[in-house]
Amino acid sequence: IAGITQAPTSQILAAGRRMTLRCTQDMRHNAMYWYRQDLGLGLRLIHYSNTAGTTGKGEVPDGYSVSRANTDDFPLTLASAVPSQTSVYFCASSNGPGAEGSDTQYFGPGTRLTVL
Amino acid sequence: GQNIDQPTEMTATEGAIVQINCTYQTSGFNGLFWYQQHAGEAPTFLSYNVLDGLEEKGRFSSFLSRSKGYSYLLLKELQMKDSASYLCAVLDSNYQLIWGAGTKLIIKP
Repeated sequence: IAGITQAPTSQILAAGRRMTLRCTQDMRHNAMYWYRQDLGLGLRLIHYSNTAGTTGKGEVPDGYSVSRANTDDFPLTLASAVPSQTSVYFCASSNGPGAEGSDTQYFGPGTRLTVL
Repeated sequence: GQNIDQPTEMTATEGAIVQINCTYQTSGFNGLFWYQQHAGEAPTFLSYNVLDGLEEKGRFSSFLSRSKGYSYLLLKELQMKDSASYLCAVLDSNYQLIWGAGTKLIIKP
């Protein structure tokens, strides 16, 4: 593994189904993030984690949950998918807030999710 | 509220120079980022500015004026592969990135 991986690459899901998007990084970054990207809108933060064992809500957290059991993995769960959750989902990681350096975020390849 | 403004779309000619502007109003400032995103791909880091002035990196340069809440990305000697969206983002006082909607740059031969 080099950088950040996400799975699946794409998924079509029936409304009401539960879905977990996976994200794994091998850069030993402290912080990880989940964004959604919709046409005409900027990236919107769903949830974040500044360090293993902690999580926080972003701008659009409703309908999503996350966990951070270890440094490398940060799964995003949709408990009961709705059509408005159709989007491209990006996972990112960084050294973390206040860390030495620019706290640059590095992105995974994305998951394209369609909820019907 | 927090706001990042950048043009929706720009067109330029191969070999030319283009400047993409970004203005911001955020609660606090801990730096400004530019990312490049090709269609169907993930954003990739281009530049970071935290102090006023110009940062040059090959064909790409980024400028920041904190007093004006303004930045620009300058692309020189445009190539067809530069056709992409360019995202401006500001790290606010909570160290969260606030993103603009992106500028789609179209390069014509």
